[in-house]
Amino acid sequence: GAVVSQHPSRVICKSGTSVKIECRSLDFQATTMFWYRQFPKQSLMLMATSNEGSKATYEQGVEKDKFLINHASLTLSTLTVTSAHPEDSSFYICSAVDRESNGYTFGSGTRLTVV
Amino acid sequence: GNSVTQMEGPVTLSEEAFLTINCTYTATGYPSLFWYVQYPGEGLQLLLKATKADDKGSNKGFEATYRKETTSFHLEKGSVQVSDSAVYFCALSDRQNTDKLIFGTGTRLQVFP
Repeated sequence: GAVVSQHPSRVICKSGTSVKIECRSLDFQATTMFWYRQFPKQSLMLMATSNEGSKATYEQGVEKDKFLINHASLTLSTLTVTSAHPEDSSFYICSAVDRESNGYTFGSGTRLTVV
Repeated sequence: GNSVTQMEGPVTLSEEAFLTINCTYTATGYPSLFWYVQYPGEGLQLLLKATKADDKGSNKGFEATYRKETTSFHLEKGSVQVSDSAVYFCALSDRQNTDKLIFGTGTRLQVFP
């Protein structure tokens, strides 16, 4: 079945630094990917919709200059958390839409800790 | 706007007990409905889905029926196992998997031997 690889699975960074998270569709082309953020014991909050070759669409309240999304190819989308602060610590999950099967596939998530 | 409401957890059951996790939705049009499961420290896995009214999704002993009249998609399993312990998310999409998913708050299930 469709597989989405998300990397890294865990990252610890210092305040003020930037962190890049990658989301790759391994065996299908994904024209659309989604980035979610999950707080402890809470649901997934959609941050943005990433479309290949165009600018991402951000949800209300999400700072686009802080959470940079790039979807340069049909198999790769990246989320960069810029100038990270402790309040950015969270679990980030991507998902990709496989147009052939019309299915969503989720990455395994990235646990970001900002110290 | 579209939304999903799930029963709050945690739900605590003994092994082999019957499970129901309630989910209701608000949507315009005819959304597709999903149940996802998240095991500790992992991403989400699709458990089952239904794309139109009266459809029944099923997988691994779990079932849910798309009820348009009650706008519900309750998750059921006749006999839970310890390995079913996880967080379960109900979700909807506006256009048959080609639009963003809207999630409920999730329900944590804990099954004890």
